[in-house]
Amino acid sequence: EAGVVQSPRYKIIEKKQPVAFWCNPISGHNTLYWYLQNLGQGPELLIRYENEEAVDDSQLPKDRFSAERLKGVDSTLKIQPAELGDSAVYLCASSGGPTDTQYFGPGTRLTVL
Amino acid sequence: DAKTTQPPSMDCAEGRAANLPCNHSTISGNEYVYWYRQIHSQGPQYIIHGLKNNETNEMASLIITEDRKSSTLILPHATLRDTAVYYCIVPPSGTYKYIFGTGTRLKVLA
Repeated sequence: EAGVVQSPRYKIIEKKQPVAFWCNPISGHNTLYWYLQNLGQGPELLIRYENEEAVDDSQLPKDRFSAERLKGVDSTLKIQPAELGDSAVYLCASSGGPTDTQYFGPGTRLTVL
Repeated sequence: DAKTTQPPSMDCAEGRAANLPCNHSTISGNEYVYWYRQIHSQGPQYIIHGLKNNETNEMASLIITEDRKSSTLILPHATLRDTAVYYCIVPPSGTYKYIFGTGTRLKVLA
């Protein structure tokens, strides 16, 4: 069974530029999560989707961050414009089935110069 | 919300059992304990979870105390590849909100 797929794995951009991250969850998983992980810290939830609906986006900085999951499968997280402090790892996870255990992708490491 | 407390770091000799403790003294009766680990430059990897009974799978064993206020993750024969940060997580009842904290950095020594 394929795991959660994320791309790109690494991204380097200059501040004020836009950037987008893509996530393909495990097949059949209806719930998708985006997390932010700063260096030396544990992941922190940004947004959670149930199918197409964002059911928890309370931690998403909406002035510059946006996310979508149009068909209830793949998802995109966007930052526009990026700031130096956005340098971090962006993780996608998905869950489904009887236990709702979350399974994580490898993450996208963003560096903003 | 059940807060978890873990030691910041531990060392373990290769081939020996690694016992990683977690304190979750405010856990509610229907809240599960989850364990994940994160190897450098990878996403968190699910290890095991449990509610009341001890659990075992191909990766590890989870021992939960009878009062459920603490648990121990056991890696029976640690290898160098088990070097990672280990997170103990107790999602609040009725939610799937994982609060990771800073975990325990386990170093397996040759």
